[in-house]
Amino acid sequence: GAGVSQSPSNKVTEKGKDVELRCDPISGHTALYWYRQRLGQGLEFLIYFQGNSAPDKSGLPSDRFSAERTGESVSTLTIQRTQQEDSAVYLCASSAGTTWQTQYFGPGTRLLVL
Amino acid sequence: DAKTTQPNSMESNEEEPVHLPCNHSTISGTDYIHWYRQLPSQGPEYVIHGLTSNVNNRMASLAIAEDRKSSTLILHRATLRDAAVYYCILSRYGGSQGNLIFGKGTKLSVKP
Repeated sequence: GAGVSQSPSNKVTEKGKDVELRCDPISGHTALYWYRQRLGQGLEFLIYFQGNSAPDKSGLPSDRFSAERTGESVSTLTIQRTQQEDSAVYLCASSAGTTWQTQYFGPGTRLLVL
Repeated sequence: DAKTTQPNSMESNEEEPVHLPCNHSTISGTDYIHWYRQLPSQGPEYVIHGLTSNVNNRMASLAIAEDRKSSTLILHRATLRDAAVYYCILSRYGGSQGNLIFGKGTKLSVKP
């Protein structure tokens, strides 16, 4: 079946511009996660959605970062007024629901802020 | 969350077994041990997970120490496609935090 998809696969933007990154989770998965991975580094948790519960935003690095999810489907991560340090691969994952379930990752969006 | 410790890198020869160690001395009774791997330029992918007993699947085996303070991921016959960063992660069943906490992992190189 279809896995997690993300778009765009690559994004180049200028400092100060806003960007939107999209994630389509696996159908039926109630949990959705966003992570960030800087070059040569491990994954940093950003935000977690579980069903209709309030999202866990504890990993968002600043108020320039926000994310939305409509029901149990698509999620959008928005970065406002991008900075060069926002350059990274942004990874989305989904899981069947409970906190210990396997997470399935998308291929990521490579963001470069010039 | 309990922390895991892994070697930064390991090397293996193709078609030989690989044992990737992970220490988690502060593991709690409800922590599951997960292994993910990340191939170059790809998102992480699930490999295996376990709680107390050893586990086998088509990708690998997971050997868990009796005291659960360490575990070993076993690739029975390494191939060039197994070259990746391998992450050992603890995830608490029923915990309020859904995200996985990735450390730096072990970078596995496989030589032909």
